[in-house]
Amino acid sequence: DTAVSQTPKYLVTQMGNDKSIKCEQNLGHDTMYWYKQDSKKFLKIMFSYNNKELIINETVPNRFSPKSPDKAHLNLHINSLELGDSAVYFCASSQDFRSSGFSFGPGTRLTVT
Amino acid sequence: AQSVSQHNHHVILSEAASLELGCNYSYGGTVNLFWYVQYPGQHLQLLLKYFSGDPLVKGIKGFEAEFIKSKFSFNLRKPSVQWSDTAEYFCAVTDGGATNKLIFGTGTLLAVQP
Repeated sequence: DTAVSQTPKYLVTQMGNDKSIKCEQNLGHDTMYWYKQDSKKFLKIMFSYNNKELIINETVPNRFSPKSPDKAHLNLHINSLELGDSAVYFCASSQDFRSSGFSFGPGTRLTVT
Repeated sequence: AQSVSQHNHHVILSEAASLELGCNYSYGGTVNLFWYVQYPGQHLQLLLKYFSGDPLVKGIKGFEAEFIKSKFSFNLRKPSVQWSDTAEYFCAVTDGGATNKLIFGTGTLLAVQP
C-alpha cells in the first residue's frame, strides 16, 4: 500500500498553462504539506494544511493555490506556469511526528517549456 | 528563524570507508532533528530522528547520528559505506512551533566508488 501518493509523476507543459498536482495519503494523518525541490536539490516548504485548514503559507506566488477537500487530500493548482516553476514537488504528511516522522510522496517532476 | 547548514555539499568515498556528514542548526530551544536520504530518482526516506533522550541515535541501514547540544550539531555517521549508499542526504529540523514545519539543509551528495 502506498502511504502518500501523488499524480502525475511527470508533468511537461508549456509556459502560461494551468496545471494541478494531486496528493493523497492513507495514513490517517491530520497534517499535509507541499515542498518544492529545485534544480540544486534544495527543499523548501510551500504550504501546510491541518485538517483542511491552511496553517503554513510561505512566500509563494499567488499563482500557486493549494486545496484540501478533506484531510486525506491536498492538491496543488498552479496558474500561468513559468519556466522557474520547473522543479520536483513533494507532498508529505505527518501526525505525531515524534513517533512516525514525516512521510513523503514520490514527487512530481514538473517541466515547463 | 531556524536554519540548517550542511557544509559538505559533495562527498566522494571508496567502499568500506567511514562516513561523517556534518549538520548544524541555528535554534537554541528544544529541537527535533532528522536525517533523510534520497536515492537517485526516488522520494525522501527517513534514516533516523532525534527528539530527546540518548543523544546517539541509531537508524536504518547502519547509520547513526549524534546530537551535541553545545555544538548545535547532529552529524550523520556510518562506519563502512557501500556503493548502494550513493544518494543525497538531508538534515532537517522542525521549527518547534505549532506548525511543525520541517526545515531542510541544502543536502550532501554522497558518491561511493566501488
